[in-house]
Amino acid sequence: NAGVTQTPKFQVLKTGQSMTLQCAQDMNHEYMSWYRQDPGMGLRLIHYSVGAGITDQGEVPNGYNVSRSTTEDFPLRLLSAAPSQTSVYFCASSYWREATYEQYFGPGTRLTVT
Amino acid sequence: AQTVTQSQPEMSVQEAETVTLSCTYDTSENNYYLFWYKQPPSRQMILVIRQEAYKQQNATENRFSVNFQKAAKSFSLKISDSQLGDTAMYFCAFMSPNAGNNRKLIWGLGTSLAVNP
Repeated sequence: NAGVTQTPKFQVLKTGQSMTLQCAQDMNHEYMSWYRQDPGMGLRLIHYSVGAGITDQGEVPNGYNVSRSTTEDFPLRLLSAAPSQTSVYFCASSYWREATYEQYFGPGTRLTVT
Repeated sequence: AQTVTQSQPEMSVQEAETVTLSCTYDTSENNYYLFWYKQPPSRQMILVIRQEAYKQQNATENRFSVNFQKAAKSFSLKISDSQLGDTAMYFCAFMSPNAGNNRKLIWGLGTSLAVNP
């Protein structure tokens, strides 16, 4: 199993550009999420999905869109990049069965918006 | 609303010694999960240890153990025989399986641990 994969690892954008951060998991997890990590602010939830076709907003959804057409993929789209979106982005997938819960993280994408 | 507090932004320990990182949380739920994650300089988030609230026994994973005090809502991480590779940011997290919460993780702001040779 590859686990959770994210591409790209690094990206530099100009203000106003758009792009999509890719996330895929091969563990058949129903739950996937996107976080951003900024210094001193821990991890903040952007969007999450509880299954294919179902998405919802987290704490900081503005400026981002997501879709979940398959169980495996959960891309994050930046519509019009802003310097405030400079951050490290993590994708995660998780499962919960009865008394067992685990969450797996991708390696992260460092995004710089100039 | 549930919250997670890590009151120690930075800590340091000498190699081979023991260190304890603190975490407190606030919730009205009775059934929940608590986690400690490690984030080394490589940025990868690594699950260190997990505790189910319904279990009275403290979780242990090799040199890592927790002191879970449900009544006090405290969940500290003890690292024994500290190694240089333990240098990392450590995050405490809370999850309630209550369907209304959609199993979202609530995160503390982290504790930066430096293990000195």
